[in-house]
Amino acid sequence: AQSVAQPEDQVNVAEGNPLTVKCTYSVSGNPYLFWYVQYPNRGLQFLLKYITGDNLVKGSYGFEAEFNKSQTSFHLKKPSALVSDSALYFCAVRDGGNMLTFGGGTRLMVKP
Amino acid sequence: EPEVTQTPSHQVTQMGQEVILRCVPISNHLYFYWYRQILGQKVEFLVSFYNNEISEKSEIFDDQFSVERPDGSNFTLKIRSTKLEDSAMYFCASLNLGVQGQYFGPGTRLTVT
Repeated sequence: AQSVAQPEDQVNVAEGNPLTVKCTYSVSGNPYLFWYVQYPNRGLQFLLKYITGDNLVKGSYGFEAEFNKSQTSFHLKKPSALVSDSALYFCAVRDGGNMLTFGGGTRLMVKP
Repeated sequence: EPEVTQTPSHQVTQMGQEVILRCVPISNHLYFYWYRQILGQKVEFLVSFYNNEISEKSEIFDDQFSVERPDGSNFTLKIRSTKLEDSAMYFCASLNLGVQGQYFGPGTRLTVT
């Protein structure tokens, strides 16, 4: 069975500083990895994905994520955080099927 | 940018009643999904739907649940006899190609009293 762990319930960072939101996964086959963001009263918005190829994936709003197969991780990063990045972030994994398995979410708080 | 829409945004129902949650996926998408998120818990997969039939479902998706695409645009989730533990946010999602990211709607908050 596939699973995703987001070890931090909340990440606090000052505006302008780099941010990292951690994600590790477990899947039997080749992983398809995703990050989604959820703003208050909104649905999940797709940020970026890793399917194959370059381990560094660039996505929306200046976010990027690095796939590390040996550490089974897919951490979300941004070089310079904005207050408007404050939201709930979900990591998700698919194996070859349709089902997305989500992590528990990490709340990112960016303070001015 | 096209969006997945869901109605209603909030539904309150009494235990034992039937509810239908509605979704309009993105028009050229072929795969449709329902997920739920109980307050404070993870987003959980319920069911996927492709080519007018269920392609995959989780253990949560028991006989009380059903899905339908009645008219080529709407995608509905029906809960026949709601229980208190069905209270959750229900998200619809759609997908065009298999390896892309699923596009999620804003959710319907279901409250069963």
